[in-house]
Amino acid sequence: AQSVTQPDIHITVSEGASLELRCNYSYGATPYLFWYVQSPGQGLQLLLKYFSGDTLVQGIKGFEAEFKRSQSSFNLRKPSVHWSDAAEYFCAVRGGSNYKLTFGKGTLLTVNP
Amino acid sequence: DADVTQTPRNRITKTGKRIMLECSQTKGHDRMYWYRQDPGLGLRLIYYSFDVKDINKGEISDGYSVSRQAQAKFSLSLESAIPNQTALYFCATSDLPQGNEQFFGPGTRLTVL
Repeated sequence: AQSVTQPDIHITVSEGASLELRCNYSYGATPYLFWYVQSPGQGLQLLLKYFSGDTLVQGIKGFEAEFKRSQSSFNLRKPSVHWSDAAEYFCAVRGGSNYKLTFGKGTLLTVNP
Repeated sequence: DADVTQTPRNRITKTGKRIMLECSQTKGHDRMYWYRQDPGLGLRLIYYSFDVKDINKGEISDGYSVSRQAQAKFSLSLESAIPNQTALYFCATSDLPQGNEQFFGPGTRLTVL
């Protein structure tokens, strides 16, 4: 069965600082990987996704993520964080023929002025 | 207009009451999902439907039932609500072959007293 681990429950960064959110997955074959963002009181919005090909994927709002098969990781990065990036971030993996997504427990990002 | 809508957005009910949460989508997707979100637990899949005649249990289906009235409508019912069903509920849709990116509704916040 697939699984996702987000090791950091809560991260605080200063505005303008760089950001990296960690995601590790467990799946026997090549996974489909996603990062979603949930702003307060909102639903989930897709930031980016990886299916195949280039292991560095670009997403919306200046985010990128890198798939590293050897480390079973799909970390999310942003070079300069804005106050509006404060939200909760979820990594998800889709594996197998059932097309279901398995989500991590989320990382809450706080941005200090 | 939102592609995935949920009604109601907020609901307070009492233990033992029957309650229905509704989801409608205008994306034309065949696949629909119900998740619940609890703090620190991420999103967990309750039920999913690949088409009107295909409904499947997710990881936490006990205490819930669903109805797929049409391609565009997928309802979640709590036959006899209990306090530990207090959560944020999300509906989502997806389509193939776009890689199963899921599109989420705004959520329904349910409180069971």
